Amino acid sequence: ILNVEQSPQSLHVQEGDSTNFTCSFPSSNFYALHWYRWETAKSPEALFVMTLNGDEKKKGRISATLNTKEGYSYLYIKGSQPEDSATYLCAFRNAGNMLTFGGGTRLMVKP
Amino acid sequence: DSGVTQTPKHLITATGQRVTLRCSPRSGDLSVYWYQQSLDQGLQFLIQYYNGEERAKGNILERFSAQQFPDLHSELNLSSLELGDSALYFCASSLVASGQETQYFGPGTRLLVL
Repeated sequence: ILNVEQSPQSLHVQEGDSTNFTCSFPSSNFYALHWYRWETAKSPEALFVMTLNGDEKKKGRISATLNTKEGYSYLYIKGSQPEDSATYLCAFRNAGNMLTFGGGTRLMVKP
Repeated sequence: DSGVTQTPKHLITATGQRVTLRCSPRSGDLSVYWYQQSLDQGLQFLIQYYNGEERAKGNILERFSAQQFPDLHSELNLSSLELGDSALYFCASSLVASGQETQYFGPGTRLLVL
């Protein structure tokens, strides 16, 4: 069983705050790290696929970094808005093609 | 709308029964993935197909099986159903099967086993 941990489990912020959360994964046998945004009553939506150590990706106010040597990825949201409220999932893919999801970070942004 | 379709949306059945869930990938996508989201667990990867062939296997029970047909749609068969099989089943598709490509999720099928 591959250990993929996300922290914190949940987060409440005020509109306008910037926030970040972490995904930890095994540092060996790395192949790719996926980030998804999952709104209640909808299906997961892909944010980023990260493959190289030191990768930084950005989509609007959301960005992510990757450190494969120490086994972590950060997701940052700048100037959170109520519509950013969702669960953010990371998924680790190893070279053996196994995909393991973290438990998610539930973000709630108060207006 | 991701372009991935799943039917049915909801399914209610009894223990011991067998059901089939269906997924049509986005146009042009060759790879299909199946996932299970149950109440007490996070999203679990079940199985992946690429162009009709099984590509990767996750936490799929022996009572479950899947296949991908020549037209690239996929079916997940769940048999001898138990109460614990009640879950949301997602299908996702991607263009290829490198593991480094974006996956697009369907709306899911909610299964309730009574």
